[in-house]
Amino acid sequence: QKEVEQNSGPLSVPEGAIASLNCTYSDRGSQSFFWYRQYSGKSPELIMSIYSNGDKEDGRFTAQLNKASQYVSLLIRDSQPSDSATYLCAVNIAGNFNKFYFGSGTKLNVKP
Amino acid sequence: GAVVSQHPSWVICKSGTSVKIECRSLDFQATTMFWYRQFPKQSLMLMATSNEGSKATYEQGVEKDKFLINHASLTLSTLTVTSAHPEDSSFYICSARVGAETDTQYFGPGTRLTVL
Repeated sequence: QKEVEQNSGPLSVPEGAIASLNCTYSDRGSQSFFWYRQYSGKSPELIMSIYSNGDKEDGRFTAQLNKASQYVSLLIRDSQPSDSATYLCAVNIAGNFNKFYFGSGTKLNVKP
Repeated sequence: GAVVSQHPSWVICKSGTSVKIECRSLDFQATTMFWYRQFPKQSLMLMATSNEGSKATYEQGVEKDKFLINHASLTLSTLTVTSAHPEDSSFYICSARVGAETDTQYFGPGTRLTVL
């Protein structure tokens, strides 16, 4: 079992729709969770972080965390073609402030 | 967000040569920087954690004599790929943590290394 699992996709949604990206993790002690966006050939850019159970909203993005279910998700409202990218979920390793496990990413295609 | 730069953005070299990649934090001091490698269609794999003024901590399976890391200042870490071979061709990305109180990492733009 991988430490962080994501559906590789591609996930296709029409422009203006809500895109829902999911991530599960195996380390129950993990405390920090991040979503990064990576365009093809580029490095990851931070979208948002979440540390507590529940929802965290930032503009069109909402991160949801459920530690009991070991599940973190990212919702993108009003999806735009420019949101088309690979979305990486990162989870810290319990007890290690520095180290993260990265998922393999979900490719999102937003169709105009 | 914090800005991290890398140089060069891409490099092509012959097998057996050494390549140095620089990672700089532009608007903050980074006591800890990280080096990742990403092969096509795969996720990021942490190679090593670089701490200013001390030896880097390498992940299991990463040869420290092949991937030399130097973190000489609070704004600069370098990765040298020694005696590069075609299998070292990859996308190398550094990241930096902003301050000791946060675990958020900001990534540099990456360096694409091609070894012929």
